[in-house]
Amino acid sequence: DVKVTQSSRYLVKRTGEKVFLECVQDMDHENMFWYRQDPGLGLRLIYFSYDVKMKEKGDIPEGYSVSREKKERFSLILESASTNQTSMYLCASAPRIQGPEQYFGPGTRLTVT
Amino acid sequence: AQTVTQSQPEMSVQEAETVTLSCTYDTSENNYYLFWYKQPPSRQMILVIRQEAYKQQNATENRFSVNFQKAAKSFSLKISDSQLGDTAMYFCAFMKRQGNEKLTFGTGTRLTIIP
Repeated sequence: DVKVTQSSRYLVKRTGEKVFLECVQDMDHENMFWYRQDPGLGLRLIYFSYDVKMKEKGDIPEGYSVSREKKERFSLILESASTNQTSMYLCASAPRIQGPEQYFGPGTRLTVT
Repeated sequence: AQTVTQSQPEMSVQEAETVTLSCTYDTSENNYYLFWYKQPPSRQMILVIRQEAYKQQNATENRFSVNFQKAAKSFSLKISDSQLGDTAMYFCAFMKRQGNEKLTFGTGTRLTIIP
């Protein structure tokens, strides 16, 4: 079974703090994604990565950056957390060739106070 | 750009009944995938069913089936003999088939199965 894990289930940070959310997958998938999920808005893509050290902006990249130094790990960074970044963050991974299905992690509920 | 619309924010149905969740989408692409994902309360999002646009036959997975109307850009999910474990948020999603592995999600439908 594919396993996608995220470093924290719940996180509380203060405004202005630098926040790291980490995602690890164990299936050697090339593609990894970060989404944020908000009620009434569904999931929106923040950033994605097709390979190590490669990244592309999604639909809402402002205020976020990412890092992919190893194939299995994809980190989302909030450089200076703000209250409007309070949300559920979901990581996903997918193989490039075998099929389009994305496999999701359990999510991190981030609260910025 | 693609858009996915789910017009039913919440639905509820009695256990063992059949329920249909609606989804419409807008795209100029001809080759794409459509998905239904399920997110149970406090649990991970999982794929329910997938449809490839070039296939005319509607996808089926056990109690889950879709009604794919390409011309109308409609992609509804039917759950037969609903069970308590079907209680979840359901998201419809779109992906271009080639050159772009990004998913575009709808806003979701919260489905509650009543015992």
